[in-house]
Amino acid sequence: DAGITQSPRYKITETGRQVTLMCHQTWSHSYMFWYRQDLGHGLRLIYYSAAADITDKGEVPDGYVVSRSKTENFPLTLESATRSQTSVYFCASSHVGAETQYFGPGTRLLVL
Amino acid sequence: AQKVTQAQTEISVVEKEDVTLDCVYETRDTTYYLFWYKQPPSGELVFLIRRNSFDEQNEISGRYSWNFQKSTSSFNFTITASQVVDSAVYFCALNSGYSTLTFGKGTMLLVSP
Repeated sequence: DAGITQSPRYKITETGRQVTLMCHQTWSHSYMFWYRQDLGHGLRLIYYSAAADITDKGEVPDGYVVSRSKTENFPLTLESATRSQTSVYFCASSHVGAETQYFGPGTRLLVL
Repeated sequence: AQKVTQAQTEISVVEKEDVTLDCVYETRDTTYYLFWYKQPPSGELVFLIRRNSFDEQNEISGRYSWNFQKSTSSFNFTITASQVVDSAVYFCALNSGYSTLTFGKGTMLLVSP
């Protein structure tokens, strides 16, 4: 039972580069979410998706792009990374919107 | 708008002490869901409990218990006889029908031997 996985687990990149963080879930959950976790801010929602080809902005979407062509995958792209995007990124999924969200192990991203 | 406040940023206790983590929420919706998650030092987020707004019955699971009070908009979490392995950051979260979770900023619990 793989559950929800994220790759890479650690990433170092430079300002201005494009970075894609991957998220894959094996539960066939309809909803998928991307959060970032920063000291002092807790977890903040970046984007979420209710189903394939349906995405919506969260609290902090600027600088990020998402897509969801398949139910099981929800990649997050930083089109031109900035230092302020240094963070821990968590992907989550849930069967329906109000149900429990289960989180992936996280990706630590450092933008130099 | 929905909001979750965890006023305690950090709590330190000695093993075997009882500890209560506070969570106060704000929502205008009558139907909503409350959650607690644990984030140990290893960094993953572990689901602990989900409560819906129609069920105010307190819950006990081993050393963990949760006190949900709609009258005070609180959903507090108590660990009885704390252990070193309970050391973690604990997050309270609210979903009030918009499919998304609003998290509190977390309470760091440090249990010393």
